[in-house]
Amino acid sequence: DQQVKQNSPSLSVQEGRISILNCDYTNSMFDYFLWYKKYPAEGPTFLISISSIKDKNEDGRFTVFLNKSAKHLSLHIVPSQPGDSAVYFCAAPINRDDKIIFGKGTRLHILP
Amino acid sequence: DGGITQSPKYLFRKEGQNVTLSCEQNLNHDAMYWYRQDPGQGLRLIYYSQIVNDFQKGDIAEGYSVSREKKESFPLTVTSAQKNPTAFYLCASRHRGYGYTFGSGTRLTVV
Repeated sequence: DQQVKQNSPSLSVQEGRISILNCDYTNSMFDYFLWYKKYPAEGPTFLISISSIKDKNEDGRFTVFLNKSAKHLSLHIVPSQPGDSAVYFCAAPINRDDKIIFGKGTRLHILP
Repeated sequence: DGGITQSPKYLFRKEGQNVTLSCEQNLNHDAMYWYRQDPGQGLRLIYYSQIVNDFQKGDIAEGYSVSREKKESFPLTVTSAQKNPTAFYLCASRHRGYGYTFGSGTRLTVV
């Protein structure tokens, strides 16, 4: 049973436009969410996180929105740049000190 | 600089052989993890360890073994019982209450 779901395997966005990556979760006990970015043949790097007590967290071009009632979060990248082309993973820890559950990832292509 | 080092970057294994992937961290993190990445499958947890001399199976532990004799080291052995070992393997460590720090990965190919 997938507790963290990223239903779009890939997404293509024009450079300069907004990229929106979506993530749904089923476990209402999750209280903290993370987004990781991964380039081919490299390890994922932490991008941004959000606590369940917030509905928005912003860091430069990256903003994560959380809708707890819908069990949905989204990552907005604006404006999109060529270096943003990567796989993005949505993730949530089972609890603060336990393993982290990852979605299957969304491959973002930024088009020139 | 603190970080996680995985070695080797690329590894080739003949069928029937065991191979060991190295993971070392100098971040003083208690918890360490091994994930496997396959196309379209995301990151799947193989084994994890929250403290020295203790480890737990993840979702796909069959055909793998680990040890945690030192806080800094969490090697993964891919045994001949693993039927489809060709994949990209990622090691991570975690400080209590925070997210993971990942290594740069090892690409294992069976030849």
